[in-house]
Amino acid sequence: GENVEQHPSTLSVQEGDSAVIKCTYSDSASNYFPWYKQELGKRPQLIIDIRSNVGEKKDQRIAVTLNKTAKHFSLHITETQPEDSAVYFCAAQDYKLSFGAGTTVTVRA
Amino acid sequence: DADVTQTPRNRITKTGKRIMLECSQTKGHDRMYWYRQDPGLGLRLIYYSFDVKDINKGEISDGYSVSRQAQAKFSLSLESAIPNQTALYFCAAANSLSPGELFFGEGSRLTVL
Repeated sequence: GENVEQHPSTLSVQEGDSAVIKCTYSDSASNYFPWYKQELGKRPQLIIDIRSNVGEKKDQRIAVTLNKTAKHFSLHITETQPEDSAVYFCAAQDYKLSFGAGTTVTVRA
Repeated sequence: DADVTQTPRNRITKTGKRIMLECSQTKGHDRMYWYRQDPGLGLRLIYYSFDVKDINKGEISDGYSVSRQAQAKFSLSLESAIPNQTALYFCAAANSLSPGELFFGEGSRLTVL
């Protein structure tokens, strides 16, 4: 089955700086890569996704990139704000969704 | 958003007891999932169902069972709870047209003493 690895496990950034989270996947059949954000005490929610026929996607301050050859994808958050503090999960889907272990992002004021 | 509701939200029980966590959704999504969240381990899939007659094991199904009583309802049972099943459990629903977009419930925190 699919195996998704996510790094780093924790990330502390100064407000206004950028944050980058990287994930790798094992199954070349995976074709959909969503990112979920989980605020403290809340449920995970989808924030952005990318399909295997696209190399990059951007939505305001967040962007995702995908390298199918290397089987890795990344989340980029620019101009970080306190409300970006959360746990972020990457995921990869073949016939079901497999999640990475999560990255706890802390934005320092 | 799909309205996904889990009950109970919090439960404390003792080793050996039978526990059921219930999940219902109101948007008619055909796919439903049960995940377990533990610190540092992310979201691990316990069971999933693509329709009422379909039940599939996930990566950590041992010690758990599920029932898909209707398209809107998917319950998770622990036949004989043990302390290492203490965790936060999430139910999720998705539409087969957009299967990677999961709508999660609020979570059920289970403590097994």
